[in-house]
Amino acid sequence: NAGVTQTPKFRVLKTGQSMTLLCAQDMNHEYMYWYRQDPGMGLRLIHYSVGEGTTAKGEVPDGYNVSRLKKQNFLLGLESAAPSQTSVYFCASSHGRQPQHFGDGTRLSIL
Amino acid sequence: QQQVKQSPQSLIVQKGGISIINCAYENTAFDYFPWYQQFPGKGPALLIAIRPDVSEKKEGRFTISFNKSAKQFSLHIMDSQPGDSATYFCAAGDTGNQFYFGTGTSLTVIP
Repeated sequence: NAGVTQTPKFRVLKTGQSMTLLCAQDMNHEYMYWYRQDPGMGLRLIHYSVGEGTTAKGEVPDGYNVSRLKKQNFLLGLESAAPSQTSVYFCASSHGRQPQHFGDGTRLSIL
Repeated sequence: QQQVKQSPQSLIVQKGGISIINCAYENTAFDYFPWYQQFPGKGPALLIAIRPDVSEKKEGRFTISFNKSAKQFSLHIMDSQPGDSATYFCAAGDTGNQFYFGTGTSLTVIP
């Protein structure tokens, strides 16, 4: 039972490049979330989904897009990466509305 | 603007002592208050949670105290152990599926 798996674990991008972060969960959870964690700021919600085919904006959605085409997967896209998006990104899933199971994060640096 | 204010930023406690972390909020729409534990290089893990109609919830050595009128809640770790050394986050959620995290408390338990 893998829980929540994030791919990749590390990535370095140049400003303006695009990339997609993948989150996969094997617990049949309806709710999935993308957070970013920055020093001294805790975790901030980027986007979330309450079920397959649905997405919604969180606290800091600008510069990001998401898709939930399959229940088990939640993708986070950066169309044109900026240095301000350097962060650790966490995906989470849950049965209920509070994020319950987190992945181990993707460490993203944008030069 | 930080929706949930957490203190202290760091805490050092002797083994066997009590660790206390405090959080405060302003938004009366918050109706669920979870705490998370995070070890270095890992994602947060849901530790314990409370609803505002309960003043205290205990799970093992972990207790949440909730003061609705003061809009404050705290985590108490009894008989603190070196294995409890981690970063702790409080959070608050509203009915709109958004959870706002505190900035975290780095706990070190000295043997």
